Amino acid sequence: RKEVEQDPGPFNVPEGATVAFNCTYSNSASQSFFWYRQDCRKEPKLLMSVYSSGNEDGRFTAQLNRASQYISLLIRDSKLSDSATYLCVVNDLTGGYQKVTFGTGTKLQVIP
Amino acid sequence: DGGITQSPKYLFRKEGQNVTLSCEQNLNHDAMYWYRQDPGQGLRLIYYSQIVNDFQKGDIAEGYSVSREKKESFPLTVTSAQKNPTAFYLCASSIVGSLTYGYTFGSGTRLTVV
Repeated sequence: RKEVEQDPGPFNVPEGATVAFNCTYSNSASQSFFWYRQDCRKEPKLLMSVYSSGNEDGRFTAQLNRASQYISLLIRDSKLSDSATYLCVVNDLTGGYQKVTFGTGTKLQVIP
Repeated sequence: DGGITQSPKYLFRKEGQNVTLSCEQNLNHDAMYWYRQDPGQGLRLIYYSQIVNDFQKGDIAEGYSVSREKKESFPLTVTSAQKNPTAFYLCASSIVGSLTYGYTFGSGTRLTVV
């Protein structure tokens, strides 16, 4: 099983739609979680952290389910500018060393 | 403004040549990382460093070398031993020991073997 697994997509959705992505992780001791956004041929940029209690930032909501070992990202009222690849990132601190594992990303295409 | 600067943005290498990719940060981050991204694939860790004069191999270190003589700088050399070097290379930095914040990435170097 991959350490961090995402559906590669692409998810093609119309403007205004609500779309959700999941990401599963294999290490139950993983400690922190993030969603990054990567535009075509650009570097990844931090979208939001994922907290146990769930967190919301405008149209974006991230949730963590430790029991089932997955995180999710919900985008409401999709905009054309949301088209990008969304990377799930899992962070461990083992023996004082930070280990960060990236998922391969889920591609979102918002269509007019 | 603080950030990470990678240069050059595009780099062309002839087969058999070594090339060095630059990465400089002014975020006062202790940890720095090099990743490689191939089309349609995820990021793979090449090398990382958590302190000056110390670095560790990542998952795909063969054919690469690094140095960390200054906190701000973490250059990556792609040697002729790297058989398939064409890829997008990303440098990142973070605060050591803190899982609260994620990585900050540079804008990347796109390396092509000609």
